[in-house]
Amino acid sequence: AQSVTQPDIHITVSEGASLELRCNYSYGATPYLFWYVQSPGQGLQLLLKYFSGDTLVQGIKGFEAEFKRSQSSFNLRKPSVHWSDAAEYFCAVGSPSGSARQLTFGSGTQLTVLP
Amino acid sequence: NAGVMQNPRHLVRRRGQEARLRCSPMKGHSHVYWYRQLPEEGLKFMVYLQKENIIDESGMPKERFSAEFPKEGPSILRIQQVVRGDSAAYFCASSRPAGPVNEKLFFGSGTQLSVL
Repeated sequence: AQSVTQPDIHITVSEGASLELRCNYSYGATPYLFWYVQSPGQGLQLLLKYFSGDTLVQGIKGFEAEFKRSQSSFNLRKPSVHWSDAAEYFCAVGSPSGSARQLTFGSGTQLTVLP
Repeated sequence: NAGVMQNPRHLVRRRGQEARLRCSPMKGHSHVYWYRQLPEEGLKFMVYLQKENIIDESGMPKERFSAEFPKEGPSILRIQQVVRGDSAAYFCASSRPAGPVNEKLFFGSGTQLSVL
């Protein structure tokens, strides 16, 4: 069975600082990988996804993520955080044999941005 | 262009009552998915529906839970005889028909169900 671990429940960074959110997955082959963001009172919004090819994926809002097969990781990064990035971030894995709909989500990382 | 609309935003029920959660997909979307988020956990897939059809309900509890997506109107997630363990945030997502690589889910803001 596939699973996702986000080891950091809560991260606090200063505005302008760099950010890395960790995500580790468990899956027998190369999965589909996603990062979603949820702002307060909003639904989840897709930041980026990885299916195949280049292991460094660019997303919206200046985010990127790198798939590292050897570490079973798909960490999310941003060089300079903005106050509007404060939100909860979810990593998710999907099965290539199924559909993006049957995603398994991590428990989320809450990001706080200090002025 | 309204997104995925869920109502109510908050629903309070007493143990044994029924809960009905509604989801209106984005315009042009014929696929609906329900996810549940328990406290301190990630979202978990429950069910996938197309108009008038349940395609995949592998994540649905075997008892008390049902879902429908009628030809007209919103998708409904129904929980009968609620228990405290049903307290969670229930998210609906919709998409257009597409293959796995191109499929993109749009999520609603969720319904927070609290069972007293």
